[in-house]
Amino acid sequence: SQQGEEDPQALSIQEGENATMNCSYKTSINNLQWYRQNSGRGLVHLILIRSNEREKHSGRLRVTLDTSKKSSSLLITASRAADTASYFCATRSNDYKLSFGAGTTVTVRA
Amino acid sequence: DSGVTQTPKHLITATGQRVTLRCSPRSGDLSVYWYQQSLDQGLQFLIQYYNGEERAKGNILERFSAQQFPDLHSELNLSSLELGDSALYFCASSAGRVTNEKLFFGSGTQLSVL
Repeated sequence: SQQGEEDPQALSIQEGENATMNCSYKTSINNLQWYRQNSGRGLVHLILIRSNEREKHSGRLRVTLDTSKKSSSLLITASRAADTASYFCATRSNDYKLSFGAGTTVTVRA
Repeated sequence: DSGVTQTPKHLITATGQRVTLRCSPRSGDLSVYWYQQSLDQGLQFLIQYYNGEERAKGNILERFSAQQFPDLHSELNLSSLELGDSALYFCASSAGRVTNEKLFFGSGTQLSVL
């Protein structure tokens, strides 16, 4: 079973627009990570937020974490065609497992 | 390039057969993770090794087994293969020393069971 669930499942936006996707999880976590996967390829780490952090930025990425609601969001600002990919949240609990959600497929239209 | 090497890239086999997937982690990484990705199940955590020892176990079937060798490379053995085992199998590695670590993924092995 998966720990995290992303919402929406799919997102289509125009180049230059912002993309927001959400992740909800079930049990307490040590940290939450976001990864990107281009079609059929390996996942690439984007950003990690620890359970005692509320917000983190990396370039055009902004991640928030609300442990009371067991949810996180990933915002990609000023999207580009190259941002077209699937985005996954992953949660690390104290048992070392890193569990991934089902992912959000983002399509950026030129 | 993540530095994680997986071989082979593609594997086509028949039901009932046994296959071995191989993974070489990034230089210096002690932890190796195996994941299975399919359309219906998503990305499923199978198992993690740290410096040769099993550290965490996920949804790994009894027909599947893995190990990490002294040189830190890992192998995932899949036996008595079924059609439903067709999936993309990823290996990932991390330094393994702390839990606040990111994983580096290989490009995967696409397994097709016919």
